[in-house]
Amino acid sequence: SAVISQKPSRDICQRGTSLTIQCQVDSQVTMMFWYRQQPGQSLTLIATANQGSEATYESGFVIDKFPISRPNLTFSTLTVSNMSPEDSSIYLCSVSGTGSGYTFGSGTRLTVV
Amino acid sequence: GENVEQHPSTLSVQEGDSAVIKCTYSDSASNYFPWYKQELGKGPQLIIDIRSNVGEKKDQRIAVTLNKTAKHFSLHITETQPEDSAVYFCAASEGGYQKVTFGIGTKLQVIP
Repeated sequence: SAVISQKPSRDICQRGTSLTIQCQVDSQVTMMFWYRQQPGQSLTLIATANQGSEATYESGFVIDKFPISRPNLTFSTLTVSNMSPEDSSIYLCSVSGTGSGYTFGSGTRLTVV
Repeated sequence: GENVEQHPSTLSVQEGDSAVIKCTYSDSASNYFPWYKQELGKGPQLIIDIRSNVGEKKDQRIAVTLNKTAKHFSLHITETQPEDSAVYFCAASEGGYQKVTFGIGTKLQVIP
């Protein structure tokens, strides 16, 4: 299965600032997804990162708050913009199309103070 | 859209006993059902999956069953060990490259 490198692994940020999270895959993949996992909760899909076009956002998530880029088939970024304490969560990159289901990165643990 | 319900939310078992986690889904178009294990501070790891053309799948101490008519699927862990302690998530998808919808998770504690 694909190996995902997600950076940073954790960060503490001031409210009102933005953080960009990177997801690098060791092989080309068809689909990349970004999830949010709030403390003690399940995983909620933020958006599907589409290569060469705008991301597809789920209900409740908007591009202005969570801009996503996917310049090629192995890399994507998620930016959390104008952060507030409510954005404190684990953000996870996931990929499919590797022949073994969906693989997740180790996540970025974000704390907004 | 798809809705996946999972229970129990917490489960404690004695080492060596079996653990069962049950899920239901709502979308009859779903045909791929993965199970993930998440240890503290780590991302979810796929432990087993099943597709709708199969009723049961087993991998050593782990098995998954699927009742497509009832829209139920379950995870069975036999001979539990302390290292099985983690949060387990069930999920459903239409397969292909479609998104995955997760259950709320089950925190499994195996007591030595």
